[in-house]
Amino acid sequence: DIVMTQSPDSLAVSLGERATINCKSSQSVLYSSNNKNYLAWYQQKPGQPPKLLIYWASTRESGVPDRFSGSGSGTDFTLTISSLQAEDVALYYCHQYYGTPRTFGQGTKVEIK
Amino acid sequence: QVQLQESGPGLVKPSETLSLTCTVSGGSISNYYWSWIRQPPGKGLEWIAYIYYRGNTNYNPSLQSRVTISVDTSKSQFSLKLTSVTAADTAVYYCARGRGTYSNSAFDIWGQGTMVTVSS
Repeated sequence: DIVMTQSPDSLAVSLGERATINCKSSQSVLYSSNNKNYLAWYQQKPGQPPKLLIYWASTRESGVPDRFSGSGSGTDFTLTISSLQAEDVALYYCHQYYGTPRTFGQGTKVEIK
Repeated sequence: QVQLQESGPGLVKPSETLSLTCTVSGGSISNYYWSWIRQPPGKGLEWIAYIYYRGNTNYNPSLQSRVTISVDTSKSQFSLKLTSVTAADTAVYYCARGRGTYSNSAFDIWGQGTMVTVSS
C-alpha cells in the first residue's frame, strides 16, 4: 500500500494568514507516461462528506476559491491556503489514486488562532 | 447536477452482513467508476472498493475477503455488501464518483454518508 503521511496533524493560523499542509507518499505517485501526479486534496467539515479541492496535485476543482493551491511532485506535496478565512476551518486530507488500494493521509485539522 | 444517496440499515448485528445501496440521480451512472469509502467515528478515510458501470471491480485487499460491490445500471444504483461484521466496521459509509472516465480518478462527488453501527 502507498502510505500517505500528512504534517502537521493540526495547525492554528490567524485570519488572513497563510496555512500550509504537507503530504508525503511512501512511493512516487507521478505517472511518467503522462507526467501527472495522482494526488488529490479534500476538505471535510463536521458532519459533511469530503469535498474535492485539488486533483492532479495542482488542478483546482471548479468552484474552489483561488486561495487554495496545490503543489509538489513525486512523493512530496503541499496544500496552501493563501489567506485563511473563517469558513476554511476544517479537516484536510490528501489522497493518492495512483495505486490500489486508494489511500488517504491521516488528516490535518486547520483552526483559527 | 449529479447527486448520490446512500441507503441501508443503520444498525447491524455482529457477524451479520452489512448491505448498502447508493442511488445516482441527476446524471448517468455510465462511463464512470463508483466507490465506497468509510470513516470510523473520529478517524480517517478508508477506501473499500470501486466498480465500473460495466461491472469491473477492484477491492481493498484488507477487506476483499468480506466485500462485494455490484451495480444495477437499470436502477442507477450500486451496492456494497460486507459480511461477518464486527464493531470495527462501525463507520460512516460514503459512496463517491471518480471524476474521470478512468479508474485512476479523484472523487469529485460524494454522498452525504450513512452511519452504520455494528452492535447487538
